[in-house]
Amino acid sequence: GAVVSQHPSWVICKSGTSVKIECRSLDFQATTMFWYRQFPKQSLMLMATSNEGSKATYEQGVEKDKFLINHASLTLSTLTVTSAHPEDSSFYICSVKGLQDSPLHFGNGTRLTVT
Amino acid sequence: AQSVTQPDIHITVSEGASLELRCNYSYGATPYLFWYVQSPGQGLQLLLKYFSGDTLVQGIKGFEAEFKRSQSSFNLRKPSVHWSDAAEYFCAVGAWLGSGDKLTFGTGTRLAVRP
Repeated sequence: GAVVSQHPSWVICKSGTSVKIECRSLDFQATTMFWYRQFPKQSLMLMATSNEGSKATYEQGVEKDKFLINHASLTLSTLTVTSAHPEDSSFYICSVKGLQDSPLHFGNGTRLTVT
Repeated sequence: AQSVTQPDIHITVSEGASLELRCNYSYGATPYLFWYVQSPGQGLQLLLKYFSGDTLVQGIKGFEAEFKRSQSSFNLRKPSVHWSDAAEYFCAVGAWLGSGDKLTFGTGTRLAVRP
């Protein structure tokens, strides 16, 4: 069964509004989660590392004030796209680190379309 | 900095034919290597991984990959392709650094299967 649940699977919003995406670890407690972004026909780019109980670590070039990450519990991390614009339209995927030496588990992604 | 190159953007094979998807990596230490598959609009599913030990690793769905340090390669193979294998395949290299695992993905290879 699914190890990581990501919600919603798709969302359409108007320019200027904010959208929250949830990533839940279902089978184990995850101190670390990762948020990736994927443009059409391109690879996944790591946006940020979400750490439970502390601030997220953002990759170079990712605006932390625009992509707010909250990891308030060991099973939930949220990504909020604030004041969304059409260029933010993309496929956002979260991943969860498992136990030592286990691979990352990925959510099914969220397709965001900003009109 | 770590990097991954997947030279083939798109490959088409006939059902029942053998398959090899190429992956070359650049990494300063012993890499952790992965192959993921992504169906349209979906998240990523792990096919196989290499951490250490036997350089020929077996994965799910009949896939295997061989780690060749001298060639910095981790090519994915399958002896007989099924129509359901049509998808996007990503090679990734990562580092296990405490609680943080940053994966760097290749640009992906889209596999089409001819009936």
